[in-house]
Amino acid sequence: QKEVEQDPGPLSVPEGAIVSLNCTYSNSAFQYFMWYRQYSRKGPELLMYTYSSGNKEDGRFTAQVDKSSKYISLFIRDSQPSDSATYLCAMTLKGAGGFKTIFGAGTRLFVKA
Amino acid sequence: DSGVTQTPKHLITATGQRVTLRCSPRSGDLSVYWYQQSLDQGLQFLIQYYNGEERAKGNILERFSAQQFPDLHSELNLSSLELGDSALYFCASSVGSGSQPQHFGDGTRLSIL
Repeated sequence: QKEVEQDPGPLSVPEGAIVSLNCTYSNSAFQYFMWYRQYSRKGPELLMYTYSSGNKEDGRFTAQVDKSSKYISLFIRDSQPSDSATYLCAMTLKGAGGFKTIFGAGTRLFVKA
Repeated sequence: DSGVTQTPKHLITATGQRVTLRCSPRSGDLSVYWYQQSLDQGLQFLIQYYNGEERAKGNILERFSAQQFPDLHSELNLSSLELGDSALYFCASSVGSGSQPQHFGDGTRLSIL
């Protein structure tokens, strides 16, 4: 079982829809939770970062963490064609070898105009 | 623009060869991370350096090595290359040592023939 599970999709939605992207994890030692966006032929871009259970909002994006269920989500409101990309969840824990960030496989999102 | 520069963008070489990938972190960032991204494995953490010192190690093969120089640029050396080493190699940087990778470069695409 992978430490971080993420449905690779693809997920196709019409413009203006609310998008929900999810990840589950197995290791309760994860302390920090992130979402990255990766456009084709580009490096990942950090979108959201949180370390506590609950919601964090930034513009059209909301990150949600439920530590009791080991489940994180990213919601995108009023989705736009420019949101079409691969979204990667990531989690950081502190181990014997230092801080390590584990990425999910990424979900490909297509927003149709 | 993330401010992280990776060179070269593309590299084609043969099995058994050795290559060096270079990364210049975003100005002001002291940490450099190296990741390997392949279709079947996703984004895999290799190694992190902070201000010239190794800080965390991931699934880095013994054939691979890295270092961070006094000017904070980093190099990833890959030797005795195998077909399975073909992948995108990303460098990322961040300000602190115990944090998530914040700024990613656009990667070096390595193809082994």
